[in-house]
Amino acid sequence: RKEVEQDPGPFNVPEGATVAFNCTYSNSASQSFFWYRQDCRKEPKLLMSVYSSGNEDGRFTAQLNRASQYISLLIRDSKLSDSATYLCVVFHTGGFKTIFGAGTRLFVKA
Amino acid sequence: NAGVTQTPKFRILKIGQSMTLQCTQDMNHNYMYWYRQDPGMGLKLIYYSVGAGITDKGEVPNGYNVSRSTTEDFPLRLELAAPSQTSVYFCASSSWTSGDNEQFFGPGTRLTVL
Repeated sequence: RKEVEQDPGPFNVPEGATVAFNCTYSNSASQSFFWYRQDCRKEPKLLMSVYSSGNEDGRFTAQLNRASQYISLLIRDSKLSDSATYLCVVFHTGGFKTIFGAGTRLFVKA
Repeated sequence: NAGVTQTPKFRILKIGQSMTLQCTQDMNHNYMYWYRQDPGMGLKLIYYSVGAGITDKGEVPNGYNVSRSTTEDFPLRLELAAPSQTSVYFCASSSWTSGDNEQFFGPGTRLTVL
């Protein structure tokens, strides 16, 4: 079983749609959680950190459920510019490990 | 402030050749990392460093070596290149303050081994 698992997609949605990505992790000692965005043939960039209380940044909402070892990202009112791959990332100091999920592809169409 | 820079952007190697991928950051970050990303896959950690003079293996270190003589530079050495090392290589750095660990990535080096 992979340490971090994501639905690979792709997700094809129209502009204005709401889309949700899910991610599960296997190591209960994991401490920090992130969503990164990666455009085609580009480097990953931090989209947002994920906190236990849940956090929101404009159209983006991230949730963490430690009991279920589950992370989610909700994108509201999708824009064409949201088309990218979204990477779920888990970090824990044991072994100083950062584990990247394989990513979920999103295509937003006009 | 250039962030994380990597050279070269592209490289084609023959089997058995060696090369060094360069990585430099100007953010005074203590932590630096090397990842590889194969098509359709997530990033896998090759080596990381928590400060000058200190390096450690990640998930896939075989076939690679690193050094960290300064805070700014973290070169990755490939000895005896093999086709399995065809990949995109990303260098990253972070400061890990307040328990967070946002990593800043360079633009990547696309390596093909034929």
